[in-house]
Amino acid sequence: EVQLLESGGNLVRPGGSLRLSCAASGFTFTRYAMSWVRQAPGMGPEWVASISTDDGGRYYAGSVKGRFTISRDNSNNTLYLHMSSLRAEDTAIYYCAKDSEPNYDFWSRPPGAFDVWGQGIMVTVSS
Amino acid sequence: DIQMTQSPSTLSASVGDRVTITCRASQSISTWLAWYQQTSGKAPKLLIYKASNLQSGVPSRFSGSGSGTEFTLTITSLQPDDFATYYCQQYNSYSGTFGQGTKLEIK
Repeated sequence: EVQLLESGGNLVRPGGSLRLSCAASGFTFTRYAMSWVRQAPGMGPEWVASISTDDGGRYYAGSVKGRFTISRDNSNNTLYLHMSSLRAEDTAIYYCAKDSEPNYDFWSRPPGAFDVWGQGIMVTVSS
Repeated sequence: DIQMTQSPSTLSASVGDRVTITCRASQSISTWLAWYQQTSGKAPKLLIYKASNLQSGVPSRFSGSGSGTEFTLTITSLQPDDFATYYCQQYNSYSGTFGQGTKLEIK
């Protein structure tokens, strides 16, 4: 079964840091670009960051650039999101998501059409 | 940034109805558009990719069309499970991605 399982969510104070993990199984992880998408309470999804299959390319939303770092460990089929300088507006459910097309040209377009999502993990930034 | 605008924001319909949701992009995105369905407390589910391609396992009553800046999602013969929130997503460029959503409610 194709599955993504996030972990690492928590309550953190403004200015703090947190690392999210996403364990992938049931598909060839190394063939797919991966992304993080978040959803604040009552709002629509917001793309956060994407990473190419070989970690050669990373893209970030303007709202998190310079504060968040996406990475992946292909030997352990795991995606990460390191978040620092957290703000109240970063409070959201964070999902990891898999691109639907294997081995596409990461530089030609962003990942999209996410066909597999994790269950989501809550990150709350509050004092 | 590319802005994605969905209409309507809320749509009331009955089981068996045919409904259409529109998504407009602020600039051309070719056919790099996806549609998702989200029910409360769950992750979005991919319905349509590349504007008109039905994702595997999605019922054929869902269809997508459009190119450039205007796109539609059509659901024929609404079923009880279809009452949910629908989002479009552009993946032509990294500047902005999802629409604000259309909530499909039971009339």
